Amino acid sequence: KNEVEQSPQNLTAQEGEFITINCSYSVGISALHWLQQHPGGGIVSLFMLSSGKKKHGRLIATINIQEKHSSLHITASHPRDSAVYICAVGLIIQGAQKLVFGQGTRLTINP
Amino acid sequence: NAGVTQTPKFRILKIGQSMTLQCTQDMNHNYMYWYRQDPGMGLKLIYYSVGAGITDKGEVPNGYNVSRSTTEDFPLRLELAAPSQTSVYFCASSYSRTGGSLYFGEGSWLTVV
Repeated sequence: KNEVEQSPQNLTAQEGEFITINCSYSVGISALHWLQQHPGGGIVSLFMLSSGKKKHGRLIATINIQEKHSSLHITASHPRDSAVYICAVGLIIQGAQKLVFGQGTRLTINP
Repeated sequence: NAGVTQTPKFRILKIGQSMTLQCTQDMNHNYMYWYRQDPGMGLKLIYYSVGAGITDKGEVPNGYNVSRSTTEDFPLRLELAAPSQTSVYFCASSYSRTGGSLYFGEGSWLTVV
């Protein structure tokens, strides 16, 4: 079993729909990251969470430390949101943050 | 702001050749990382560095070497390239030792034939 599991692996939706991507992990973490990988390959950091909830524009990320679970929500989805969304958990090992990555969720928003 | 800059973006190598992937960041970050991303797989850590002169192995270091002579630069060396090293390579940096947002380079697509 992977230390970080994302679901679903693929998600296709219509423009305007509310999107939820889930991430479950099995280890103690220092922080959880949500990343966005564009079709061209570049990776952008969306959120870093250690507790509670964060919001940036139409994106909302939540984390439940006790349940070892995080969700990424997109409101009023748009075709430009189409990308791979990656969950990564941060572990502090020998003084440095090391990330363990999920396999990603490929999101396609159709107009 | 340049952020994290990787070169080259694309490269084709023959088996047994060597090359260096360059990574430079201008944010004065102490922590730098090299990852590889294989199709359908999550990113795997190759090497990391917590500051100039200090490097350590990640999950998949075999076949690679790194150096960190300055805060800005963290090159990744491939010795005796093998087809198994065909992958997309990402360099990243962060400011904080206990976390902090990661900043990624745009990736380097490497094919070994």
